[in-house]
Amino acid sequence: NFMLTQPHSVSESPGKTVTISCTRSSGSIASNYVRWYQQRPGSSPTTVIYEDNQRPSGVPDRFSGSIDSSSNSASLTISGLKTEDEADYYCQSYDTSSQVFGGGTKLTVL
Amino acid sequence: EVQLVESGGGLIQPGGSRRLSCAASGFIVSGNHMSWVRQAPGKGLEWVAAIYSGGTGNYADSVKGRFTISRDNSKNTLYLQLNSLRAEDTALYYCAGESPTSYGFDYWGQGALVTVSS
Repeated sequence: NFMLTQPHSVSESPGKTVTISCTRSSGSIASNYVRWYQQRPGSSPTTVIYEDNQRPSGVPDRFSGSIDSSSNSASLTISGLKTEDEADYYCQSYDTSSQVFGGGTKLTVL
Repeated sequence: EVQLVESGGGLIQPGGSRRLSCAASGFIVSGNHMSWVRQAPGKGLEWVAAIYSGGTGNYADSVKGRFTISRDNSKNTLYLQLNSLRAEDTALYYCAGESPTSYGFDYWGQGALVTVSS
């Protein structure tokens, strides 16, 4: 099995852009799709990016995803930050026998 | 509209057992991959177990041999049997569903809280 490592927290001002990284410990990040979830306090997670860089309907185009094989990591970028984006964000991927979540990143918009 | 509704949580003594249920509507449990994901208080998400459309299952190492995932196709319900519970199993347990060709969790329930304490 592999691990996904995220920064514990990030903060940025409204209107700015923030990027959250998710580094895979072993195996290629490109081998299996990465999904990103947003979880607001007291709520269940919801998908903001799937299949590395696809946005579900209803998710603003301020949210984008990418992968970088050179750093073996995935990234979630949120532009034009709004206070409503303040939440925990989790990356998730999988292998043949399990699903793996990153430890989560708390985004503060201040 | 897809709804996943968990039930069965509560306060359980260490070493005890409990069965969690997840009743699905608008989504066929037997036709899709289903998982249980837990979240300890103030902590991150942890995948616990999955049952695939073909009926086979997989478990996280932390619960292997103690938890069992199953489903009742006639009731369109997913289950998680929790045995030999430990304090570190205390968490909100989410039921999560994957759509066909999906590689993650498209649908989540609201969670069932399991507290293991004497």
